Amino acid sequence: EAQVTQNPRYLITVTGKKLTVTCSQNMNHEYMSWYRQDPGLGLRQIYYSMNVEVTDKGDVPEGYKVSRKEKRNFPLILESPSPNQTSLYFCASSQTGVGEKLFFGSGTQLSVL
Amino acid sequence: DAKTTQPPSMDCAEGRAANLPCNHSTISGNEYVYWYRQIHSQGPQYIIHGLKNNETNEMASLIITEDRKSSTLILPHATLRDTAVYYCIVRVNAGNMLTFGGGTRLMVKP
Repeated sequence: EAQVTQNPRYLITVTGKKLTVTCSQNMNHEYMSWYRQDPGLGLRQIYYSMNVEVTDKGDVPEGYKVSRKEKRNFPLILESPSPNQTSLYFCASSQTGVGEKLFFGSGTQLSVL
Repeated sequence: DAKTTQPPSMDCAEGRAANLPCNHSTISGNEYVYWYRQIHSQGPQYIIHGLKNNETNEMASLIITEDRKSSTLILPHATLRDTAVYYCIVRVNAGNMLTFGGGTRLMVKP
């Protein structure tokens, strides 16, 4: 089944403790992206990647890192999480052609205490 | 990117057609109109997209006006499971810098 898989689904951590949220897709998509969703602010893009070893900042990249060493994986790294990074996170992927559609993961609810 | 305007909320009776409008008056000639929906806190789900012509798939129909400045998503026979937030986005492709705004919260009622 074609899908985007995020782990974990829920994560509670403390300020400053490094964490990684994994994202993997099995559709051979070139494009992958991370979003955060906060009440009243919609989905905002954090980082995106057009292909392996190619990443770029989205709207709200501060406090986050990403890497794209393999086509299928696009982990989101919080080196020193802070409470303002408490949010619902989504990973997405797509082909890069005109008119292609995004496929989203199920989300990761992160709470930073 | 072209900005879209959607009503914040709508109600629909179960079994009736739900018609969700979207205004995108600044759309460019090569931008597609995409519709996604998000049920509770799940990942957004693709519904349909189109460029100029009306489109239909197993989930919905998309009607785009001739001047392309507005569109309507039609769910022909709404069910309770269609209760969700529906997002209208215009983009050349599905990729980078895609931001979802407030969307329309559709409530399907028995």
